[in-house]
Amino acid sequence: SQQGEEDPQALSIQEGENATMNCSYKTSINNLQWYRQNSGRGLVHLILIRSNEREKHSGRLRVTLDTSKKSSSLLITASRAADTASYFCATGQETSGSRLTFGEGTQLTVNP
Amino acid sequence: GAGVSQTPSNKVTEKGKYVELRCDPISGHTALYWYRQSLGQGPEFLIYFQGTGAADDSGLPNDRFFAVRPEGSVSTLKIQRTERGDSAVYLCASSITGDTEAFFGQGTRLTVV
Repeated sequence: SQQGEEDPQALSIQEGENATMNCSYKTSINNLQWYRQNSGRGLVHLILIRSNEREKHSGRLRVTLDTSKKSSSLLITASRAADTASYFCATGQETSGSRLTFGEGTQLTVNP
Repeated sequence: GAGVSQTPSNKVTEKGKYVELRCDPISGHTALYWYRQSLGQGPEFLIYFQGTGAADDSGLPNDRFFAVRPEGSVSTLKIQRTERGDSAVYLCASSITGDTEAFFGQGTRLTVV
């Protein structure tokens, strides 16, 4: 199965609620990146977290990384309808140089 | 330009034809990546350039696919004898080096009929 598997596949919440998406991976990584994609076109970079970091924040986004469990989570606080999109994690692995390996994504729907 | 630019944004071609997809990375970015994405799937790695050379082309599905980056800036993905299964969105990304944030273009939607 793919490196960087997101969970859940789909998430529907109300505006103002928090959204948590998880990502699991199998091999050792250099870094893990989260991306957002609207309407199946370009991906927007959200956060990069390196293997020696445990948590990062950017505005309403919080990313955690647990290398012992090979997992990461993306938390979006106080969600807005504009946050509706697909969210992907991508891992940069130690053994494969600079290529990023993406998961299947989580489809987040924020209802107004 | 301000971001990664891909042209054309849409391409419809007949089965068996040859196509070229172009990517203009962010100025100064040495690393350039090609991915393709099918509906409902995550992006699938094709090839990675560091400067002019292909540092990793292990994702190219077969020898009908080829990519170049002759001057270390613009890259062209070339697909020969296109097949219907090649239909997908082809995404290009660039980063300052190979270990930093990658910025994606809007993609080229290729449809083979």
